[in-house]
Amino acid sequence: NAGVTQTPKFQVLKTGQSMTLQCAQDMNHEYMSWYRQDPGMGLRLIHYSVGAGITDQGEVPNGYNVSRSTTEDFPLRLLSAAPSQTSVYFCASSDPGYNEQFFGPGTRLTVL
Amino acid sequence: AQKITQTQPGMFVQEKEAVTLDCTYDTSDPSYGLFWYKQPSSGEMIFLIYQGSYDQQNATEGRYSLNFQKARKSANLVISASQLGDSAMYFCAMRDKSNDYKLSFGAGTTVTVRA
Repeated sequence: NAGVTQTPKFQVLKTGQSMTLQCAQDMNHEYMSWYRQDPGMGLRLIHYSVGAGITDQGEVPNGYNVSRSTTEDFPLRLLSAAPSQTSVYFCASSDPGYNEQFFGPGTRLTVL
Repeated sequence: AQKITQTQPGMFVQEKEAVTLDCTYDTSDPSYGLFWYKQPSSGEMIFLIYQGSYDQQNATEGRYSLNFQKARKSANLVISASQLGDSAMYFCAMRDKSNDYKLSFGAGTTVTVRA
């Protein structure tokens, strides 16, 4: 049982490049989310999905796109990377209610 | 709007002593859950403990306990008998019924355990 997996673990981009951060979960969870973690600010919600085919914006969605074609996968796309997107990105999954959110190991992204 | 406040950026604790990490929250939803996560230097988010707003008793998980004071909107984490491996960043988070798809996080508290 892999839980929540993320790839890559580390990535360096140049300003203006695009890329996709991958996230997959094998727990059949309905909810999936992307957070970014910046120093001194805790985790902030970028985008989330409450089921396949349904996505919505979180607190800091600008510069990112998501899609959810299957229950398992929830990729995060950076359209045109900017230095302000240098951060650690976490994917999480859960079911409705107050149960624990399960986090992936994170992706450390640097934009030069 | 949800808000989580952790006022202690960093704390030092002697090995084998107890430490209390403060967390206050704000929500207008009567139904919510409070979580604590540990983030060691390796970076992963580790779930520690959960408290529901309607739970009558304070949650405990091994050396972790949650001091839940609902009227004060406070959910402090107590780590007893600190170990060197407890050195990490600790985050308080909340999930409420009207926004149950997400966790709102505090800024975190760094704990350093001294031998």
